[in-house]
Amino acid sequence: DAGITQSPRHKVTETGTPVTLRCHQTENHRYMYWYRQDPGHGLRLIHYSYGVKDTDKGEVSDGYSVSRSKTEDFLLTLESATSSQTSVYFCAISERVPSYEQYFGPGTRLTVT
Amino acid sequence: AQTVTQSQPEMSVQEAETVTLSCTYDTSESDYYLFWYKQPPSRQMILVIRQEAYKQQNATENRFSVNFQKAAKSFSLKISDSQLGDAAMYFCAYRSRQGGSEKLVFGKGMKLTVNP
Repeated sequence: DAGITQSPRHKVTETGTPVTLRCHQTENHRYMYWYRQDPGHGLRLIHYSYGVKDTDKGEVSDGYSVSRSKTEDFLLTLESATSSQTSVYFCAISERVPSYEQYFGPGTRLTVT
Repeated sequence: AQTVTQSQPEMSVQEAETVTLSCTYDTSESDYYLFWYKQPPSRQMILVIRQEAYKQQNATENRFSVNFQKAAKSFSLKISDSQLGDAAMYFCAYRSRQGGSEKLVFGKGMKLTVNP
């Protein structure tokens, strides 16, 4: 299994509270991603990173920000959590070689009350 | 923009039988990758199989194989000798080979039930 961890694994927070999710990898992969998974929507890309301090938006980036100060860590921040951000969040990593596939972390279940 | 469609939200199969999961995609690119991921109740996303568009030969991984029809933009997954452990959500995904974001586009998923 690829060395990807996410923390916390579960979190319950209140509306309006800032929340930061952490993704940590030990594979030294260049690309890192944050997805959210909701019933009926599959996985949707929030933000991704193609190197240290290089990030870009995905299809559902509103209300989220990211940072990557080290190769191994990719942080997802909800500046002011809303109930619509209740979801399961997955981090993924990949490299261009040899095969392009993405490897996923175990996920974080976030509930915003 | 690329899109991936899994038209069947749920399927069921008897243990030891064969089942085929369908996936279609839309793209104007000629070179890309396609993937099937499995998500069991544990929630972990597991790569099942990968197909490179420039390869005509269909990918195979043990009991899992694909039927890749490039002209029809179809990428179905066949599971042979289904086992109880195959019960999961299955996601089809597309990845461009063009340089840049290396992003995956996912279908909405399909729930597979395996009956004993």
